[in-house]
Amino acid sequence: EDQVTQSPEALRLQEGESSSLNCSYTVSGLRGLFWYRQDPGKGPEFLFTLYSAGEEKEKERLKATLTKKESFLHITAPKPEDSATYLCAVQARAGSARQLTFGSGTQLTVLP
Amino acid sequence: NAGVTQTPKFRILKIGQSMTLQCTQDMNHNYMYWYRQDPGMGLKLIYYSVGAGITDKGEVPNGYNVSRSTTEDFPLRLELAAPSQTSVYFCASIDSGGVETQYFGPGTRLLVL
Repeated sequence: EDQVTQSPEALRLQEGESSSLNCSYTVSGLRGLFWYRQDPGKGPEFLFTLYSAGEEKEKERLKATLTKKESFLHITAPKPEDSATYLCAVQARAGSARQLTFGSGTQLTVLP
Repeated sequence: NAGVTQTPKFRILKIGQSMTLQCTQDMNHNYMYWYRQDPGMGLKLIYYSVGAGITDKGEVPNGYNVSRSTTEDFPLRLELAAPSQTSVYFCASIDSGGVETQYFGPGTRLLVL
């Protein structure tokens, strides 16, 4: 059974204080690892897809990296508008319907 | 494109009532999904469909039914609402022939009392 564990559950940062969110996973053959951002009362918004160990992707203050067992979402010099819940999900190679298995998320609060 | 739309945004049901959550996408995606999200939890897959006329169960299908008569629409039916079905429901779709990113709707918040 595919599993995704995210840590920490909640993280409070001062504006400009860089940090990382962790996503540990077990999957029977990884097809892709996805990062989403979710604002309160909204649906998840796609950020990144990573496909193989060693891959990195960047978008503004966010950088996602992938190893064979975990992924990190690095946040550099965060701003209050980066406050949100960040969700990690994996897609197994075997699933023909491209199902995602989600972690429970990290709730990030950036204080001004 | 409107993307993925869901109605209603919020609904209160009494125990034992029935309702249908609507989901429509205008991106001609063939794969569609229903998830539920409980407070502080990730998303759990309820049902999915890989095309019109084809549906299958996800991780938590009990108490729900779906149908897929067109590419655009994927309604979720609750037959006998129970308090355990209080949750936020998200619909998503994907273009399996292109970039395989799941696009999510804004969600339906359901309260069963």
